[in-house]
Amino acid sequence: GQSLEQPSEVTAVEGAIVQINCTYQTSGFYGLSWYQQHDGGAPTFLSYNALDGLEETGRFSSFLSRSDSYGYLLLQELQMKDSASYFCAVRDPSGATNKLIFGTGTLLAVQP
Amino acid sequence: DAGVIQSPRHEVTEMGQEVTLRCKPISGHDYLFWYRQTMMRGLELLIYFNNNVPIDDSGMPEDRFSAKMPNASFSTLKIQPSEPRDSAVYFCASSEGTRAYEQYFGPGTRLTVT
Repeated sequence: GQSLEQPSEVTAVEGAIVQINCTYQTSGFYGLSWYQQHDGGAPTFLSYNALDGLEETGRFSSFLSRSDSYGYLLLQELQMKDSASYFCAVRDPSGATNKLIFGTGTLLAVQP
Repeated sequence: DAGVIQSPRHEVTEMGQEVTLRCKPISGHDYLFWYRQTMMRGLELLIYFNNNVPIDDSGMPEDRFSAKMPNASFSTLKIQPSEPRDSAVYFCASSEGTRAYEQYFGPGTRLTVT
């Protein structure tokens, strides 16, 4: 089967840098996505890595190492509004499908 | 673009009643997904459609749940009869076939069954 592991909670202070890790076990692999969800809101797409390396989008960066089945989301210059849950997700490799499998999410608390 | 639209935003109903949730995907998106989110079980995929055809309904919990997509701009998720354990936030999402990794979620329907 497929599984993704993330830390359940991370705490950091405003202005700092935080890294949220994701390890996955899948029978095939088509890339790693990251989503953000604020309390009471809907998940929103942040980034996607199909190949190894770092993808940067403003204050957020995402990294992938396919050989290690590992990725992370890096948030720089943390702001209070970054307090949210962050989910990694992989495309279901069990055939020609657009289904995503989501991790259990990491709750990021940014403190002043 | 208006994004994915869901209605109602909140629904409170009594056990045994029928509940219908509605979704309008983003125009041009050929995939539509229904998810359920709870604290205990996280984000679960219930069913998804491609070009209005149900592709995978393995996540539908039981026969009380049904979903339809009569055309490219409308889908419904029906629960009949509803039970307290169905209380959750139900999200609809859509995506383009070539960008499977990027799903756009609606605001969700918060369902409470008493």
